[in-house]
Amino acid sequence: GAGVSQSPRYKVAKRGQDVALRCDPISGHVSLFWYQQALGQGPEFLTYFQNEAQLDKSGLPSDRFFAERPEGSVSTLKIQRTQQEDSAVYLCASSEGTSVETQYFGPGTRLLVL
Amino acid sequence: DQQVKQNSPSLSVQEGRISILNCDYTNSMFDYFLWYKKYPAEGPTFLISISSIKDKNEDGRFTVFLNKSAKHLSLHIVPSQPGDSAVYFCAASMDSNYQLIWGAGTKLIIKP
Repeated sequence: GAGVSQSPRYKVAKRGQDVALRCDPISGHVSLFWYQQALGQGPEFLTYFQNEAQLDKSGLPSDRFFAERPEGSVSTLKIQRTQQEDSAVYLCASSEGTSVETQYFGPGTRLLVL
Repeated sequence: DQQVKQNSPSLSVQEGRISILNCDYTNSMFDYFLWYKKYPAEGPTFLISISSIKDKNEDGRFTVFLNKSAKHLSLHIVPSQPGDSAVYFCAASMDSNYQLIWGAGTKLIIKP
């Protein structure tokens, strides 16, 4: 069965460039989460959607980061004016509910900002 | 300040022996703990969890132990198999909230 997919898998951006990262969750999953994982660290929560509603964006590091899920399925994480410290793996996860146990993760998008 | 710490970046264990992965936390408000397993180029997958009302949870070859007074938990894998080679993350939450605080991970290598 189809799991969570993310695209692109790798992205190289020049500093100052805008990037958009896509997440296709498991069909029917209500909840969608974005995480940022820096090299050698564990994932850090960025934001949470329930259907199309962004219920929690407390983890977004700055106003350069913006996420949307307009139709309650596919989500896009946008980073404007990228900086070198934005280099990380961005993970998306989806779940039927909000339980931490039932989050299914995608393979991530590795972003490198030069 | 890291609230969840995995102090061993890597661990090498002989196939068939026991693997013990450790995790320490600082926030006494954490009441739910999870272990995730991650293979290269894949996302983390949930492995096993434990609530703070328990001190042990077992699932097949995997057992998680929680010592609340020491703010320490461990994952035991017995017997270790080559397919267990992966990075293991410990994570914690308050009120089973979806916001997890993750450790930095331990890379487990099972030697044949």
